Amino acid sequence: GAVVSQHPSWVICKSGTSVKIECRSLDFQATTMFWYRQFPKQSLMLMATSNEGSKATYEQGVEKDKFLINHASLTLSTLTVTSAHPEDSSFYICSARGQGGSYEQYFGPGTRLTVT
Amino acid sequence: SQQGEEDPQALSIQEGENATMNCSYKTSINNLQWYRQNSGRGLVHLILIRSNEREKHSGRLRVTLDTSKKSSSLLITASRAADTASYFCATDGSGANSKLTFGKGITLSVRP
Repeated sequence: GAVVSQHPSWVICKSGTSVKIECRSLDFQATTMFWYRQFPKQSLMLMATSNEGSKATYEQGVEKDKFLINHASLTLSTLTVTSAHPEDSSFYICSARGQGGSYEQYFGPGTRLTVT
Repeated sequence: SQQGEEDPQALSIQEGENATMNCSYKTSINNLQWYRQNSGRGLVHLILIRSNEREKHSGRLRVTLDTSKKSSSLLITASRAADTASYFCATDGSGANSKLTFGKGITLSVRP
């Protein structure tokens, strides 16, 4: 099956710093990638949708200047959390959808971000 | 915003029993998907059922979809301790810009 990786799997950073999370589709080309955030014991909340080569579409309430998304190639999307605060501590999960009209999304293993 | 609503929110059963989880949604969909998530891990895709399908099987999993009631159920037969996880339904709308909207999830505990 299709594999999506995320790096790093966990990261601890100090308040005020920026953190970049990578999402890669390993064996397929992903025209669309999605970024989700999940707080403990809660569901996944979609943050933004990114299409290769174009600007990301952010969900209502998500600050695009704080969560920078770059989908520079068909196999890589990055999420940068800028000026991180403790309330940004969460589990960030990406997913990727391939070409060809398939509706199936393949999820990465997630990145645990802790801001101290 | 979330669309799917699963019930129950938590389910505890004995190994070998069947587990039934329900999901209701509000708007029209192209398909509905069920995922499993072990604690602190990513999501595992279990099964996808299209809006024109009523039932689908995959191993010990059986999913039904009733579009008139906007509801779906996931049945896990002969449960195992390894089935202990959170289960989410997710609805996918129509069109090229479709995106998954997840329910709140059900925590399933299977006692050995």
